[in-house]
Amino acid sequence: GAVVSQHPSRVICKSGTSVKIECRSLDFQATTMFWYRQFPKKSLMLMATSNEGSKATYEQGVEKDKFLINHASLTLSTLTVTSAHPEDSSFYICSASIQVNTEAFFGQGTRLTVV
Amino acid sequence: GQNIDQPTEMTATEGAIVQINCTYQTSGFNGLFWYQQHAGEAPTFLSYNVLDGLEEKGRFSSFLSRSKGYSYLLLKELQMKDSASYLCAVIPQAGTALIFGKGTTLSVSS
Repeated sequence: GAVVSQHPSRVICKSGTSVKIECRSLDFQATTMFWYRQFPKKSLMLMATSNEGSKATYEQGVEKDKFLINHASLTLSTLTVTSAHPEDSSFYICSASIQVNTEAFFGQGTRLTVV
Repeated sequence: GQNIDQPTEMTATEGAIVQINCTYQTSGFNGLFWYQQHAGEAPTFLSYNVLDGLEEKGRFSSFLSRSKGYSYLLLKELQMKDSASYLCAVIPQAGTALIFGKGTTLSVSS
């Protein structure tokens, strides 16, 4: 089946530094990928829609200058958390679908801890 | 706005049957999904409904009534490993992201 790979699975960084998370579709091309954030015991909250070759679309309340998204190819989207703060500590997950309105495949998720 | 409601927690015993309900009010409807998520892991796909009725897949079944904005996930012959969070999600418009409910934490005891 289709696989979405996300890297790294865990990262600890210092306040003020930046962290890049990669999301790859391994056996299909994904013109659109989605980035979610999940706090402990909470649901997945959509952060942004990543579109290959164009600017990402951010959800209300998500700072586009803080969460930089780049979708440079049909198989790779990256999320960079800039100037990270402890409140950015969360579980970040990406997803992609092979076709519109079909099941979304999720990456393994990235546990970010900012100290 | 988008609103998806499901119970926060449920408990059941091994071998039993449990039904997890989900109601939704969204700007549009292009399908409803159920996912299972174990703590610290990514969600895994369970089922997809776009037309009214029951979809059965092994021990898991999912039902949809679009007119009522209602779905349920039915888990039969419960096993300990079924203890997890179950997420109801809707695609409001074609090509857009899944919008998730808060999830239902199911605890299965022996």
